[in-house]
Amino acid sequence: AQTVTQSQPEMSVQEAETVTLSCTYDTSESDYYLFWYKQPPSRQMILVIRQEAYKQQNATENRFSVNFQKAAKSFSLKISDSQLGDAAMYFCASRSATNKLIFGTGTLLAVQP
Amino acid sequence: DTAVSQTPKYLVTQMGNDKSIKCEQNLGHDTMYWYKQDSKKFLKIMFSYNNKELIINETVPNRFSPKSPDKAHLNLHINSLELGDSAVYFCASSPRGGGDTEAFFGQGTRLTVV
Repeated sequence: AQTVTQSQPEMSVQEAETVTLSCTYDTSESDYYLFWYKQPPSRQMILVIRQEAYKQQNATENRFSVNFQKAAKSFSLKISDSQLGDAAMYFCASRSATNKLIFGTGTLLAVQP
Repeated sequence: DTAVSQTPKYLVTQMGNDKSIKCEQNLGHDTMYWYKQDSKKFLKIMFSYNNKELIINETVPNRFSPKSPDKAHLNLHINSLELGDSAVYFCASSPRGGGDTEAFFGQGTRLTVV
């Protein structure tokens, strides 16, 4: 079975500070891919960052980086220098070799000025 | 220029009615999905089609029937609408095989059943 778990329903961070959003997953497949998507109030789903499971190096996209711990099946998202525009719902997701893309329950991030 | 477009964006209808949501993608992708996002924002996969062929069919009432006339379109028809069907429905697409490529989402259709 393929599952994705986000244990933090809500998080809050001060502007310019750093915040880490947690995600764990489970899959029986050796070939899979992990993603973080952002959903602002506009409802649009926006890809933040992606990670191939076979790569040991953690992915980085500007202020966004991941801590991928394959053995622990953990895939956390770190947002540095948080900005007001980062406020959104963040979804962790995994895609299997059969192209099934499933999501965690989401973490609502608030950014305090 | 819209990559994945859904129509309508909003749909209000009475219980018992039948309605359809249309989805089109102009990205040349082979795989298309339907997701349901409930009031708690949980995104649940409903269906996935690969080049017009159904490949994923999660536990969804058979009142929901996807139709893929060609690989660029995946429509969702819902019969005998119930109050619990109220949600935001998202269409998405990705290349065949997926891999680490991004899935592109439509803007969502907010369905309200009264």
